Amino acid sequence: AQKITQTQPGMFVQEKEAVTLDCTYDTSDQSYGLFWYKQPSSGEMIFLIYQGSYDEQNATEGRYSLNFQKARKSANLVISASQLGDSAMYFCAMRDRAAGNKLTFGGGTRVLVKP
Amino acid sequence: DSGVTQTPKHLITATGQRVTLRCSPRSGDLSVYWYQQSLDQGLQFLIQYYNGEERAKGNILERFSAQQFPDLHSELNLSSLELGDSALYFCASSPITQGPHTEAFFGQGTRLTVV
Repeated sequence: AQKITQTQPGMFVQEKEAVTLDCTYDTSDQSYGLFWYKQPSSGEMIFLIYQGSYDEQNATEGRYSLNFQKARKSANLVISASQLGDSAMYFCAMRDRAAGNKLTFGGGTRVLVKP
Repeated sequence: DSGVTQTPKHLITATGQRVTLRCSPRSGDLSVYWYQQSLDQGLQFLIQYYNGEERAKGNILERFSAQQFPDLHSELNLSSLELGDSALYFCASSPITQGPHTEAFFGQGTRLTVV
């Protein structure tokens, strides 16, 4: 069965510094998608970035980049130049055909940006 | 704004009651997913519909049911409510391809409190 693991329940980061959120996954499928979502205290789930299993380059979206290491089955999110508004829960998720293309989520990492 | 609309935003009801949560997906999205987010269980997949038909079932209780209507909006019905059903319920939608390489966009969620 597919599984997503986020080993960091919470972390602090200084404003303007970069932070890396860890995510490892497990799937037997060759075709899958990896996603990161942000959940601020208001509760909504905001899509941040996507990486496809066949993509050779790491995905980037503004200050977000995904460090994709396929052989290690890891998909770490890097947030550069952290801002106070980055304080939130961050979820790593995966979709694969074996699981019917539903999104499977990790347990999340809470990030608190300090001024 | 993700384009996915969920109503109501908040719901407080008593144990034993029945409620209906409503979701309007993004324009053109045929897939609708329901998720439950509770403090102890994280984000749990409940059920998926695609163009009116049930496609996948997750950890959905027998007291819960859902359907997707011809206009593609979906409803999640929760009956015989228990205190443990208190959670944030999310609806998400995906575009027509609904494969593993398409992101899902989430509504703002319905926060259900059972008292």
